[in-house]
Amino acid sequence: NAGVTQTPKFRVLKTGQSMTLLCAQDMNHEYMYWYRQDPGMGLRLIHYSVGEGTTAKGEVPDGYNVSRLKKQNFLLGLESAAPSQTSVYFCASRTGWDTGELFFGEGSRLTVL
Amino acid sequence: DQQVKQNSPSLSVQEGRISILNCDYTNSMFDYFLWYKKYPAEGPTFLISISSIKDKNEDGRFTVFLNKSAKHLSLHIVPSQPGDSAVYFCAASEANAGKSTFGDGTTLTVKP
Repeated sequence: NAGVTQTPKFRVLKTGQSMTLLCAQDMNHEYMYWYRQDPGMGLRLIHYSVGEGTTAKGEVPDGYNVSRLKKQNFLLGLESAAPSQTSVYFCASRTGWDTGELFFGEGSRLTVL
Repeated sequence: DQQVKQNSPSLSVQEGRISILNCDYTNSMFDYFLWYKKYPAEGPTFLISISSIKDKNEDGRFTVFLNKSAKHLSLHIVPSQPGDSAVYFCAASEANAGKSTFGDGTTLTVKP
């Protein structure tokens, strides 16, 4: 039972490089989310999706793009990485119920030099 | 404007005693509240939740209390165990909004 899987787990980038984080869930959940967590801070929502083919901006969307071409996958892209995007990124999913619990992946630690 | 606040960054308690973690919110439209627990190098995991139509929800050693008039909720852990040492996040959801807002977390340390 994999749940929510994030790849890669670790990545080091140079300023200006691009990359994509992949999130895959096997629970047939409708809603998927990308959060970032910085030291001493909570989870801040970057983008989210309430269904296949839909995406929406969260609290801190600048510098990121997302796509949800398949229900089970949610991709987070950085087109031109900046040191301010150094963070731990968490993907999460839940059923279509707004009040349902979130199921999180283990996180992806990204460092931008 | 932080809508969900956990004003205590850290809390230390002795094993067997009660741990009380607090959370305040400002958005009166929030109607569902959740607590998550996070160990280092892992993703958060769901712990317990409460709907705004209730003022208490209990699950084993964990109880969440909601005071809507004060816009305040708390998580009680009794008795506390060393394995409870983790970061605890409070989160709030608004019906039909599709997303949750998180507090900054409280690091709980339970000393043997």
